[in-house]
Amino acid sequence: GAGVSQSPRYKVAKRGQDVALRCDPISGHVSLFWYQQALGQGPEFLTYFQNEAQLDKSGLPSDRFFAERPEGSVSTLKIQRTQQEDSAVYLCASSPRPGGPGGEQYFGPGTRLTVT
Amino acid sequence: AQSVTQLGSHVSVSEGALVLLRCNYSSSVPPYLFWYVQYPNQGLQLLLKYTSAATLVKGINGFEAEFKKSETSFHLTKPSAHMSDAAEYFCASFTGGFKTIFGAGTRLFVKA
Repeated sequence: GAGVSQSPRYKVAKRGQDVALRCDPISGHVSLFWYQQALGQGPEFLTYFQNEAQLDKSGLPSDRFFAERPEGSVSTLKIQRTQQEDSAVYLCASSPRPGGPGGEQYFGPGTRLTVT
Repeated sequence: AQSVTQLGSHVSVSEGALVLLRCNYSSSVPPYLFWYVQYPNQGLQLLLKYTSAATLVKGINGFEAEFKKSETSFHLTKPSAHMSDAAEYFCASFTGGFKTIFGAGTRLFVKA
């Protein structure tokens, strides 16, 4: 079956532009996570959705970052007025279980964002 | 605060040799622990997980890890490395809520 997909796979933005990153989770998965992975680092938690409810956004680095999952399936991570420090790979993961990731998360291939 | 430390950002082994990737965690409560593998241009894939059952956990592709509470460690091993094992490996910890904490990763190189 299809896994988690993300688009675009690569995005180059000029500083100050807004970007939108899309995540298509595995069909029927209740939980959806966004992570930011800087070069040479492990993924860092950004936010968590259970269906359409955003239950944890404590990892979003600033109010320029906004995520939504309006119908409980596809999610979009939006970054306004991009800065160079936003350059990273943005990973999406989904899980069939609600609540925290005590179980397995299924990761997408990521979107590599480069801000010039 | 919860943290995960992976010792060695790069590890190089010969094909057929033992693979040992080190992970230490810091947590005030018993964690769930995970090892993920990431191949170039692909998402992270779960290798194995510890959820407070058996302390020796077997995963896919011949990997296993042992939870040692006294050492706060969860090292990943494989008896005989294969060229296809070359990838980046991440150790991760979860203690509740919604947040998984990842280590910085260890890149494994396998020499022919």
